[in-house]
Amino acid sequence: NAGVTQTPKFRVLKTGQSMTLLCAQDMNHEYMYWYRQDPGMGLRLIHYSVGEGTTAKGEVPDGYNVSRLKKQNFLLGLESAAPSQTSVYFCASSYRRGWDYEQYFGPGTRLTVT
Amino acid sequence: SQQGEEDPQALSIQEGENATMNCSYKTSINNLQWYRQNSGRGLVHLILIRSNEREKHSGRLRVTLDTSKKSSSLLITASRAADTASYFCATAKTGANNLFFGTGTRLTVIP
Repeated sequence: NAGVTQTPKFRVLKTGQSMTLLCAQDMNHEYMYWYRQDPGMGLRLIHYSVGEGTTAKGEVPDGYNVSRLKKQNFLLGLESAAPSQTSVYFCASSYRRGWDYEQYFGPGTRLTVT
Repeated sequence: SQQGEEDPQALSIQEGENATMNCSYKTSINNLQWYRQNSGRGLVHLILIRSNEREKHSGRLRVTLDTSKKSSSLLITASRAADTASYFCATAKTGANNLFFGTGTRLTVIP
């Protein structure tokens, strides 16, 4: 099993550009999450999904959109990138509620917005 | 914020020594989890301890939870160079749908 994979690994955007980050998991997990990790701070939850076709806001959702059209995929979109969105983005999944059970993380996407 | 805080921020020890890192949090929780992150990689789950538990073991890892003091500790015994990583605690607040991660402890094990 590949576990949780993320595409791309690195990306540089100019302010105002848009992009989509793809997360895929092959563990048949119901729950999926997008986090961002900034220097000196813990991971912060952006959006999450409790199943195919559902999404919900996390702690820092502004400036991001998500979609979960297929159970195995969770997409994170930036419609108009800003320098404040420079960060490392992690996707995670869990079989059950990831705030009560363990989460499995992808390797991360390093995004720089200039 | 519910965010946990780890202490110390950085820890450097010799191989074979024990490493202890602490996590404090602010409000009541359902559980507390510890994760490891190697440089440039994703997080890996280590242990989950529920609010009604006081201690859990997994291999060389021992986690304690003191809900009266709102704190947890992670002990790594007989450390190895491969244990070099950042360690994060994450708390699941009662009634919330989030895990709140701390800022981490950077552990360096010197061979």
